[in-house]
Amino acid sequence: NAGVMQNPRHLVRRRGQEARLRCSPMKGHSHVYWYRQLPEEGLKFMVYLQKENIIDESGMPKERFSAEFPKEGPSILRIQQVVRGDSAAYFCASSPGDQGQPQHFGDGTRLSIL
Amino acid sequence: DQQVKQNSPSLSVQEGRISILNCDYTNSMFDYFLWYKKYPAEGPTFLISISSIKDKNEDGRFTVFLNKSAKHLSLHIVPSQPGDSAVYFCAASLGSSNTGKLIFGQGTTLQVKP
Repeated sequence: NAGVMQNPRHLVRRRGQEARLRCSPMKGHSHVYWYRQLPEEGLKFMVYLQKENIIDESGMPKERFSAEFPKEGPSILRIQQVVRGDSAAYFCASSPGDQGQPQHFGDGTRLSIL
Repeated sequence: DQQVKQNSPSLSVQEGRISILNCDYTNSMFDYFLWYKKYPAEGPTFLISISSIKDKNEDGRFTVFLNKSAKHLSLHIVPSQPGDSAVYFCAASLGSSNTGKLIFGQGTTLQVKP
């Protein structure tokens, strides 16, 4: 199954630590999106990347959050100095970028902050 | 500002009957709409989509209807099956190429009773 792969599936961090979430898109997909889902809410867009470029980061918090999609390797969502409010499910999606092709999602990373 | 709204948090339907899930939006610039299904601890799975230039799209048991004048779309599932029990999200995007971010509703939990 060459779907969108996210790891780790579960991540526990203490307040002030760093969290790194990884996402490998589906084969042939060059567009990556990150979304966050808080309890009892829908998914909220965070950032849209293509290889080595951030296309839209309008949903990213101004501080502590960053994302990259390097030429080689997975996309990384990095959260520095985590706080309790960062606890959420973080989903990655990918698409080939062709018109009419939907985004396909990974199973997410559940981030818990102690 | 919730641009995509699913006003029914939950829906219960008998097996074999029709399930109708509703979604309203406020931004008339949305031109592509999608429905995703989500099981607990998994990522959203794409179900069906519709372009704003159409008013209906059908795929097997799933049909999506779009009423642009009312800014309303609905997903019909017929006949409903117990395996359809899940959370259903509608989503909208700007840009006909669908390479941009998705804006999600809050989700509707569908329960199909045997």
